[in-house]
Order: sequence, then C-alpha cells, then structure tokens
Amino acid sequence: DGGITQSPKYLFRKEGQNVTLSCEQNLNHDAMYWYRQDPGQGLRLIYYSQIVNDFQKGDIAEGYSVSREKKESFPLTVTSAQKNPTAFYLCASSVGTSGNTGELFFGEGSRLTVL
Amino acid sequence: KQEVTQIPAALSVPEGENLVLNCSFTDSAIYNLQWFRQDPGKGLTSLLLIQSSQREQTSGRLNASLDKSSGRSTLYIAASQPGDSATYLCAVSWGGGNKLTFGTGTQLKVEL
Repeated sequence: DGGITQSPKYLFRKEGQNVTLSCEQNLNHDAMYWYRQDPGQGLRLIYYSQIVNDFQKGDIAEGYSVSREKKESFPLTVTSAQKNPTAFYLCASSVGTSGNTGELFFGEGSRLTVL
Repeated sequence: KQEVTQIPAALSVPEGENLVLNCSFTDSAIYNLQWFRQDPGKGLTSLLLIQSSQREQTSGRLNASLDKSSGRSTLYIAASQPGDSATYLCAVSWGGGNKLTFGTGTQLKVEL
C-alpha cells in the first residue's frame, strides 16, 4: 500500500542525546515536511524539502536538522540544542515541487519523550 | 499576521445530528484550504482540499465551503455517527508559500 511510514512510534531520550526520526514515503511525492504538534497548539512547521538534496527551514527549525539524500526519505534529527523536544512529530508529503502545496498526506507520527 | 482560528475547541452532539465546524483565517489571499481529521495519538487524514478558485467540495457526508471575502470555511457533516468522533483541523496555504498554517482544531464527540 502507498503511504508514509514513520518510525519509531514512541521514543524516549535522555537529556543531551541526539535522536533521529525516520520518515519514508512510497507515493513518489517530491515535497516532504516535518511538523511538530504540542497539546493545545496547532501544528508548526520545522523543515520542508521540495526536491532531493534541498531543504528549507520552517517556523521552528532551531535545534533540528534534516537531510534529503533520497526522494523517498526525509529523516529528522532532534539535537541536544532543542530546548523542549518532548512532542508529537508528524511527517507529511505532497506532490507539489515548487510554489504552493497541493494536498498533504501524513504519517502516523512519532512521539518523543525526554526523560 | 496570518492566522487560522477554529471555534469551538470542543463540541458534543447526539448521533444523527447534522453539524457545522468553523474555520476562520485572517488574510483572504489564500491559495488553498484543507480539512483534516485526527484520531487520538494518530496522524492526520486529509478530508477535503478546496482551491482558492472553488466555493465548495464534497465527499460523502462531508461538505466544505470557502468564503474568502469573509475569511471563513465551514465543514458540514451530515447525519453524524459515533465513528465521526475525532479532532478536525483546518489548514490554510497562502499565495506564494509552501507551508500550511494550522488551526488548533475542534474536538468532536458524537454520542449514542
């Protein structure tokens, strides 16, 4: 089945550790996105990529890093510099390559908890 | 500042009722607007996408309308069922941008 796969579903991290969240899609979409969701707040954009080997910062990129070496994959690293990393992280993709987004499709999310 | 607001934050209705969820946005120069559904602890499922040039979109028991001049969109759910219980999120893409701005959602509970 076509879709977006995020792993792991749940992740616990000690303070000071970097962690990497995986996002893989088989929809042949060019654009991929990472959002963060906190209780009582709307989703906020961390990073997005419109094409392989290119990505842009979203609204809350500080403390995060990404790579886009393959069309299918857009991993997110939460670094120790991120002051409040406990959140629900959502990966999404869309057909659009430049300009505006088309319809967005989301993965099932990864819940990160810092101990 | 471009913002998206959804009121109320929570809504409870009896099964079978027709209902309307509201979404308002501050800048009428939108590119598209998308409605999503989110079940607890899950990702978002796309329900309807309305392009700027469209007035409404329909899918099954769902109908989404768009009024750019008033900065509003509504999601109409006909004959609600307990399985419709979820959080409904509205998101707007403004012209020239490549990102969506989300509202905080309306948590809907349909009771037997």
